[in-house]
Amino acid sequence: EVVLTQSPATLSLSPGESATLSCRASQSVAKYLAWFQQKPGQAPRLLIYDTSIRATGIPARFSGSGSETDFTLTISSLEPEDFAIYYCQQRYSWPPLTFGGGTKVEIK
Amino acid sequence: EVQLLESGGGFLQPGGSLRLSCAASGFTFTTYAMTWVRQAPGKGPEWVSAITGSGDRTFYTDSVKGRFTISRDNSKNTLFLQMNSLRAEDSAIYYCAKGGRDTNMILDYWGQGTSVTVSP
Repeated sequence: EVVLTQSPATLSLSPGESATLSCRASQSVAKYLAWFQQKPGQAPRLLIYDTSIRATGIPARFSGSGSETDFTLTISSLEPEDFAIYYCQQRYSWPPLTFGGGTKVEIK
Repeated sequence: EVQLLESGGGFLQPGGSLRLSCAASGFTFTTYAMTWVRQAPGKGPEWVSAITGSGDRTFYTDSVKGRFTISRDNSKNTLFLQMNSLRAEDSAIYYCAKGGRDTNMILDYWGQGTSVTVSP
């Protein structure tokens, strides 16, 4: 099973600042890593898939990079609606599909 | 517009059974794999099961093998999860999510979830 480790657990930032979230895989997942955003009481929403492809309707301030075992989600300038929990997920080696433990982006 | 609407959740005792449903609309249902993902309170998402568009292949996480069965009715655009021998650790919100073609598991649309609570 591929274990995904996200860091940091919490990121405290102000609106307008840039956020950098990390996801590390226990073995290579090639390019097959996705990022999701989740707000309280809502389902996860797909932001990025296959490392860097933005899902439909996702603003350009969200970008993804990386390969093999190390991946990054960058939010270039935080908007108030971006404060949420972010999860990474791999689909390279499954079953099982696996998710990371999440990074909470909170308002400083 | 893609819509996924789960139903069937509830409160029940350990050892009980429940059948979840997910009604899909806004896309050609039979073309796409579908999955169930659950999330316990305060925890991250956990993948549970997946099924191909035709229904010919199914996949499960180890902890539910032999207890849960995923199926679909393509004539009714509906996904199911039959859950038997339920345990307290199965308590979670259960989401259905749309995958890609064949076993391409890009989970691009999710329902709002249905809550399952297993407690004595």
